[in-house]
Amino acid sequence: DAMVIQNPRYQVTQFGKPVTLSCSQTLNHNVMYWYQQKSSQAPKLLFHYYDKDFNNEADTPDNFQSRRPNTSFCFLDIRSPGLGDAAMYLCATSHRGQHQPQHFGDGTRLSIL
Amino acid sequence: DAKTTQPNSMESNEEEPVHLPCNHSTISGTDYIHWYRQLPSQGPEYVIHGLTSNVNNRMASLAIAEDRKSSTLILHRATLRDAAVYYCILRDFDNAGNMLTFGGGTRLMVKP
Repeated sequence: DAMVIQNPRYQVTQFGKPVTLSCSQTLNHNVMYWYQQKSSQAPKLLFHYYDKDFNNEADTPDNFQSRRPNTSFCFLDIRSPGLGDAAMYLCATSHRGQHQPQHFGDGTRLSIL
Repeated sequence: DAKTTQPNSMESNEEEPVHLPCNHSTISGTDYIHWYRQLPSQGPEYVIHGLTSNVNNRMASLAIAEDRKSSTLILHRATLRDAAVYYCILRDFDNAGNMLTFGGGTRLMVKP
């Protein structure tokens, strides 16, 4: 089945140690998104790519970066994770258009020691 | 995206219909109404969307008020697997970036 795959499901890193989360898709969608979801909260958009065009949300910390080397893959880099960055990170994809549904992966749960 | 208001939680009995309400009094004429749900330990899942007319698919039905200021997601026969947080989201015509702005959602509990 076509899908959005996030690896790993669980990631542990140390305070201040850079970490990269990965997302791949087999849906051939031109838009890819990264969301952050903290415990008992709703998902919050960090940024998205429309093809290779990067769009950052105004309140996304500078600590968070993203790369999309090709249509299928997208990475979330956290340069210096703080304790407040512990969360579930969700990747999603869609075709462009306000009626197009987004397809989500099952997320990577990031813990900071 | 325009703001939506949903009850924090609802309870249902298994195999009974469930009506999940959403108020969106500031909706604009070009806003689509989308519903997603998030099962425990999973990413959100698209359920249904509509603009003006009621919509049906294999998962649910969406009833949209005539003035579009409210809508109701209908699960015709709740199962234990339908226990999830249900999000009602408005997406506007000029939202070329396709962003979803999630509100608080409704936590649906299904009793056997």
